Amino acid sequence: EAQVTQNPRYLITVTGKKLTVTCSQNMNHEYMSWYRQDPGLGLRQIYYSMNVEVTDKGDVPEGYKVSRKEKRNFPLILESPSPNQTSLYFCASRPSGVETQYFGPGTRLLVL
Amino acid sequence: AQSVTQPDIHITVSEGASLELRCNYSYGATPYLFWYVQSPGQGLQLLLKYFSGDTLVQGIKGFEAEFKRSQSSFNLRKPSVHWSDAAEYFCAVGAKDTGRRALTFGSGTRLQVQP
Repeated sequence: EAQVTQNPRYLITVTGKKLTVTCSQNMNHEYMSWYRQDPGLGLRQIYYSMNVEVTDKGDVPEGYKVSRKEKRNFPLILESPSPNQTSLYFCASRPSGVETQYFGPGTRLLVL
Repeated sequence: AQSVTQPDIHITVSEGASLELRCNYSYGATPYLFWYVQSPGQGLQLLLKYFSGDTLVQGIKGFEAEFKRSQSSFNLRKPSVHWSDAAEYFCAVGAKDTGRRALTFGSGTRLQVQP
């Protein structure tokens, strides 16, 4: 089944403890992206990747890192999480030249 | 920069009634337009999209949307709402001329369906 998977789905952590949220897609998509969803703000892009080893900042990149060493994986790294990073995170992917993005199920993060 | 406005934060309709969710966008050229639905605790599911051509587009679950360039709108409609349609709905615009191809989302409209 074609899909975007994220792990973990739920995570509670404490301020300053490094964490990684994984994202994987099995559709051979070139483009991958991370969004965060906050009440009243919709979804905002954090980082995106046009292909392997090509990443760039979105609208709200502060406090996040990403890497794209393989085409299928696009992990989101929070080196030193803070409470304002408590949010619902979505990974998305799409093939090159196609505008429709496919979203993962989301990861709900709580930073205490 | 593009932007999307969904004026209605929360809408309540009776089951069987018609539905229209409003979406206004701001973008310099013809945009790509999308409607996504997010059921409670679920991810985002694409309902429909507009890229070009016929301005009335049909989607899944009986939804349709009409692109009106003169009004910069892309309103979502359904003739008869079902209880299972209760969810949050997001309008999004994609830019054709930016490399990062991000989707810009509206703040969402939460739909409640009364029996």
